[in-house]
Amino acid sequence: GESVGLHLPTLSVQEGDNSIINCAYSNSASDYFIWYKQESGKGPQFIIDIRSNMDKRQGQRVTVLLNKTVKHLSLQIAATQPGDSAVYFCADERVSNFGNEKLTFGTGTRLTIIP
Amino acid sequence: DTGVSQDPRHKITKRGQNVTFRCDPISEHNRLYWYRQTLGQGPEFLTYFQNEAQLEKSRLLSDRFSAERPKGSFSTLEIQRTEQGDSAMYLCASSLQDWDQPQHFGDGTRLSIL
Repeated sequence: GESVGLHLPTLSVQEGDNSIINCAYSNSASDYFIWYKQESGKGPQFIIDIRSNMDKRQGQRVTVLLNKTVKHLSLQIAATQPGDSAVYFCADERVSNFGNEKLTFGTGTRLTIIP
Repeated sequence: DTGVSQDPRHKITKRGQNVTFRCDPISEHNRLYWYRQTLGQGPEFLTYFQNEAQLEKSRLLSDRFSAERPKGSFSTLEIQRTEQGDSAMYLCASSLQDWDQPQHFGDGTRLSIL
């Protein structure tokens, strides 16, 4: 069936280093991909998104890469800070003629920043 | 605070009771979504509204679950005759109806069934 999954459930990174979180998706019809950050007791927080006609998009300290050939998505966080510690989810969304529709989430990667 | 607001934040109830949750979306967003999240998992889609119309429901949404958005603004999610398996975080999100508009989430309602 359709799924969005992650390669690693946990990742520990030294403060100041860069981190890379990977994600695989299976639905070739996916149009739109989003990375969310979720801290304990809170809802998912939007980080960055990318459309299927792009292969890279940059934000503040974050970069998302999309490889449609192998259906792979990654989130790069530069110069990690303690506040980056959280669970990160990738999600895909199929876009219809009526606009964006439901998100399909993976299980998440827990990122821990080591001081 | 102009984000998505959910109430209550926590709900503890006995099995068999009915519960109702409320979601207030970001004011200009005409799409509203409900998701359920269990520990260690990503959110799972339940249903979504465009204005007051409920456009899609997941098969996860059994007949004990009902959602409404009567005036196209806030929404309620009701669970009747709660069961142990209903224990989860119930998340609400909203977005604009347009291309590539991300969904923005509230902090959820955590439901615990005793």
